[in-house]
Amino acid sequence: QKEVEQNSGPLSVPEGAIASLNCTYSDRGSQSFFWYRQYSGKSPELIMFIYSNGDKEDGRFTAQLNKASQYVSLLIRDSQPSDSATYLCAVRRNTGGFKTIFGAGTRLFVKA
Amino acid sequence: DTEVTQTPKHLVMGMTNKKSLKCEQHMGHRAMYWYKQKAKKPPELMFVYSYEKLSINESVPSRFSPECPNSSLLNLHLHALQPEDSALYLCASSQRGPGQGAGANVLTFGAGSRLTVL
Repeated sequence: QKEVEQNSGPLSVPEGAIASLNCTYSDRGSQSFFWYRQYSGKSPELIMFIYSNGDKEDGRFTAQLNKASQYVSLLIRDSQPSDSATYLCAVRRNTGGFKTIFGAGTRLFVKA
Repeated sequence: DTEVTQTPKHLVMGMTNKKSLKCEQHMGHRAMYWYKQKAKKPPELMFVYSYEKLSINESVPSRFSPECPNSSLLNLHLHALQPEDSALYLCASSQRGPGQGAGANVLTFGAGSRLTVL
C-alpha cells in the first residue's frame, strides 16, 4: 500500500463545473495535509493546507479532511481551463523523520 | 522576496563529470530540501537540511552529495552519475524544519534544474 494514494486520472470536467480530487493516506498519525498544483514543465506550488477535520475554504478551492477515514479531498468550484494541471496531495508524517510525502498526482483537464 | 532560485536551469553532463546544482532563498526559511522528480511521477525526497544540519538522507547514492554552506544556500554536488539519474531536481524551503507545525512546513519550490546524464 502506498503511503499517499491518488487516482492518477485524467479527470476531465467542463468549464464552470466542480472538480473533485481525492487522496487517502496510510499513516494514521499524520497531522498536516497539503494540496500542490503542478503545471506541465513547472514546479509544484501550494494551493492550500489543512490540519483539522472538516472543511477549509480559500476562494474557489475547498479542502476537506476526515482523519478517521484517512481521507483528504480538494474541491475546485467554477473550474477554469487555467486550472488544468496535475494536483499533488502531500502528507506530513509524524514518524520517521517527519517527511512530506507526495501522492502520484491527479491530472485535471478543464474543457472550455 | 518569496522566491527559491535554482541554477542552472538545464545541465547536461557525462558520467565522468563533476558538477553542482545550486539553490538560494532569502525568505529566512530554516529548512531546505532536495527532491528528484522523473516525468509523470511525484517529487521524491532526497535530503533535508534543518537549521543547516542534515536531518534526513533518504538512502541516496553517494554520487549525490548535499551541502548547506549557510541558511540561505543549498548545493547538490554530482559525480559519476548514471543515465537513470536524469530528472528534474527541485529545491524547496520551509519556514522551519521537520517536526514543527503545519504552516511552517509549507514547501516553496524553486523552478528546478533539469539534469540530463549522457
